[in-house]
This record gives sequence, C-alpha cells and structure tokens, in this order.
Amino acid sequence: KNQVEQSPQSLIILEGKNCTLQCNYTVSPFSNLRWYKQDTGRGPVSLTIMTFSENTKSNGRYTATLDADTKQSSLHITASQLSDSASYICVVSHSGTYKYIFGTGTRLKVLA
Amino acid sequence: DADVTQTPRNRITKTGKRIMLECSQTKGHDRMYWYRQDPGLGLRLIYYSFDVKDINKGEISDGYSVSRQAQAKFSLSLESAIPNQTALYFCATRAPGGELFFGEGSRLTVL
Repeated sequence: KNQVEQSPQSLIILEGKNCTLQCNYTVSPFSNLRWYKQDTGRGPVSLTIMTFSENTKSNGRYTATLDADTKQSSLHITASQLSDSASYICVVSHSGTYKYIFGTGTRLKVLA
Repeated sequence: DADVTQTPRNRITKTGKRIMLECSQTKGHDRMYWYRQDPGLGLRLIYYSFDVKDINKGEISDGYSVSRQAQAKFSLSLESAIPNQTALYFCATRAPGGELFFGEGSRLTVL
C-alpha cells in the first residue's frame, strides 16, 4: 500500500534552535518527494522538491535530504524563527500517474 | 490577488442543503484538483481534472460532484450535505513540473 508517514506528529522548540522532521514512504514507483509548509488557515506552499538522484537540497534555512534506498526523507530547519510555526507536509508523487500521496504532517511550534 | 482563489472561505450550512465551493486560477494550468483535509489525516483527493473535458473521481468522491466550466474554473458541489462532510476543502492546480499550487481553503461546517 502506498503510504507516507511523518514523525513527530508535533514538535515545540525555542526560537533559534534547529530541528529535523522525518518522512518515511512506501510509494512505488517513486517519482519525487516534496515538502510543503502549511500556515494555520492557509493552503500548503511548496518548500523543496527531491528527485530520485538528489541527496540534499537547501532552500534558505530549510535543508531536505532523501535516501531513496531506505525511502526516507528529512527536513532540517536551522536557526528557527517564530514564522516557522506551521505544519510541514511530506508529499510523494507516484511515477506515471496523477497520484500524490500526502503525509499527515508535523505541526511545529516555535516559542520565543 | 491570489493565483488560486476559493470562495467561500467559510460556510456553515444544515444537513440536506446543496453547497457549491468555487475555485478559479490565474496560473494557466490545465490540471486542477479538489482535496479534503481532516484533522489527523493527510489531504485526500475528491476529484481531479486534466482539462475541461477530462474529469475523474478521486479516492473519496461519493457525495460530491464537480464542474469544470473553463480552464480557470473548477467547482465542487455537495448535493445534499451531511455532517461528516464538515472539513477544510482545498482546490489546487498542477504546474508542468508537478508542483501543486493550493488555494487558501474553504472551511465547511454541516450542522
């Protein structure tokens, strides 16, 4: 069964600290993996895309990794800011189809 | 203005009423999607459309219908709303590279 699992479900950190969010998937065949940020009451917005051949990609303070062998991805946030408080959703594209498999998200809260 | 606009943003209705959620986009994308988001669950696909003449059911289409009036417009209807359709609904478009662009969401409450 094609699934995407994220951990932890929620996370609270202090401003300025780093954190890492995890995503494990069983989607096959795999096309790519995206991380989306969803602010409360807003639609998700894409942060980064990881394809099969990419191991690491950065977007400002966000760094995503992908291990296609173990089917794991992580999103590392450096020097967190209050504005990073949001849900982070891992989305895996099923190769050759219209299908996007969504994780349930990690809710991050950054405290001052 | 937002690239993907949903109306209404919030709606409270009663069981049995007909509801329409509207979505319009200025991205020029052919592919459009309607998703439903519930607490603790990932987004689930209701319907998707590859162009005006191509509409397909998603994984949870029962109780819903859609209309693709133009490339830019994709509406979702609940013919007879029921309480378990209370949820946050998102319209999205798909860029050629696969990135999804979401609207701001329509929060529907069915009493």
